[in-house]
Amino acid sequence: GAGVSQSPSNKVTEKGKDVELRCDPISGHTALYWYRQSLGQGLEFLIYFQGNSAPDKSGLPSDRFSAERTGGSVSTLTIQRTQQEDSAVYLCASSPGTRGIADTQYFGPGTRLTVL
Amino acid sequence: AQSVTQPDIHITVSEGASLELRCNYSYGATPYLFWYVQSPGQGLQLLLKYFSGDTLVQGIKGFEAEFKRSQSSFNLRKPSVHWSDAAEYFCAVGRNTGFQKLVFGTGTRLLVSP
Repeated sequence: GAGVSQSPSNKVTEKGKDVELRCDPISGHTALYWYRQSLGQGLEFLIYFQGNSAPDKSGLPSDRFSAERTGGSVSTLTIQRTQQEDSAVYLCASSPGTRGIADTQYFGPGTRLTVL
Repeated sequence: AQSVTQPDIHITVSEGASLELRCNYSYGATPYLFWYVQSPGQGLQLLLKYFSGDTLVQGIKGFEAEFKRSQSSFNLRKPSVHWSDAAEYFCAVGRNTGFQKLVFGTGTRLLVSP
């Protein structure tokens, strides 16, 4: 079956612009996660969804970052007024959501964001 | 707070030699531990995970890891490395209660020499 897909694969934007990153999880997976992978910071957790609700937004670095999930499926991560330090690879993962952290998280290929 | 330390940024191993990648974690209770691999241009793939029971865990691609509570470690091993194992390896820890996020180490890049 299809894995986690993300679009676009690459995004180049100018400082100050808004960007939207999309994640399509594996069909039937109720849990969805966003992570950011950047040089010097490694992989850091951003936000977690169970269904359409986000019980843990603790990793969002600032109020310029927001995410939503509709219909328990597709999720969009929005970064407003992008800054150069937002340049990173944004990874999405999904899991069945039945065993919590014990579930395997399946990662997408990521969106590479470059802010000029 | 949970944290993960991977003390080796880069490791070079000869093809056919054994491999051990180190991982130390900080967590107040029994953690959920994971090893992921990221090959060039590929997404993260789960190699193995540990929750409880036998402290030696077998994974895919011939990898294994051993949980040592006394040392707060979860080192990854492979008896004979193949050139295709060249990749970046990430150790991660998760809580078994409350919020469900993984905390990753900074990764170890494995280079395999002929």
